[in-house]
Amino acid sequence: GQQLNQSPQSMFIQEGEDVSMNCTSSSIFNTWLWYKQDPGEGPVLLIALYKAGELTSNGRLTAQFGITRKDSFLNISASIPSDVGIYFCAGHYSGNTPLVFGKGTRLSVIA
Amino acid sequence: EPEVTQTPSHQVTQMGQEVILRCVPISNHLYFYWYRQILGQKVEFLVSFYNNEISEKSEIFDDQFSVERPDGSNFTLKIRSTKLEDSAMYFCASSVSAGNQPQHFGDGTRLSIL
Repeated sequence: GQQLNQSPQSMFIQEGEDVSMNCTSSSIFNTWLWYKQDPGEGPVLLIALYKAGELTSNGRLTAQFGITRKDSFLNISASIPSDVGIYFCAGHYSGNTPLVFGKGTRLSVIA
Repeated sequence: EPEVTQTPSHQVTQMGQEVILRCVPISNHLYFYWYRQILGQKVEFLVSFYNNEISEKSEIFDDQFSVERPDGSNFTLKIRSTKLEDSAMYFCASSVSAGNQPQHFGDGTRLSIL
C-alpha cells in the first residue's frame, strides 16, 4: 500500500527554537494533513493542505504542500513546552481513498 | 467546538471474548471511520462507513470485525473473538463528506486483551 516516510523520528530542542519536520512519499498525494497527538489522546488536526505549492499557517505552525505532490513539511516557530507531542503527517493519495499516516515525529522541548 | 466522543476510554477483556467500542461522531458529519494504533506505531485505517454501509476496509478489518450505526448518533466497532494482537488504541473519526475533507478524531479507546 501507499506509505509516508516521516522524518526525523524524534527531536529534542530548546524552548524558543524553531522546528522543521517533513514527510515524503514515492506516490503523488492530493491532500496532506498534519496532526498532533498528546499522550492518551487522539490526533488533533493542525493544518490541511489541498493544492500543490500551498503554504498555510496556523499560529506558530506553517506547513507546505510540495510542488511535486510527493512531500510536505511542517515548521514550528519559537517552540514552547506545550508543543511536546507526536506529530503525524497524513494524506489521501486519491479522491476517496483512506487516510494514510506517517510513523510520526516525537518532539521534546527542553525548557 | 463539536467533538467526536468515544467510550469506554479503557477496556480490558479476556482473549476470545467479544468487545464493542462505541463512538458518537460529530452531529452533522456523514462519514465515519475506525482506525487502530498499536502502542508506539502509526495510526492504521480499518474501515470507513457511509449511508449505513461500509465504504472501504483494510486488510486488518477481517471477519472478526464489524461496524454498525444502531441509531442516529452512535457508531460502533465490534470485535467478535478478541486475540492478544488486537490490543491497541482504537480511534473513531468523522468527516462532513468523503474525499479530502478533514477527519476529526476522538480520544480513543485503549483495548487490552489478556
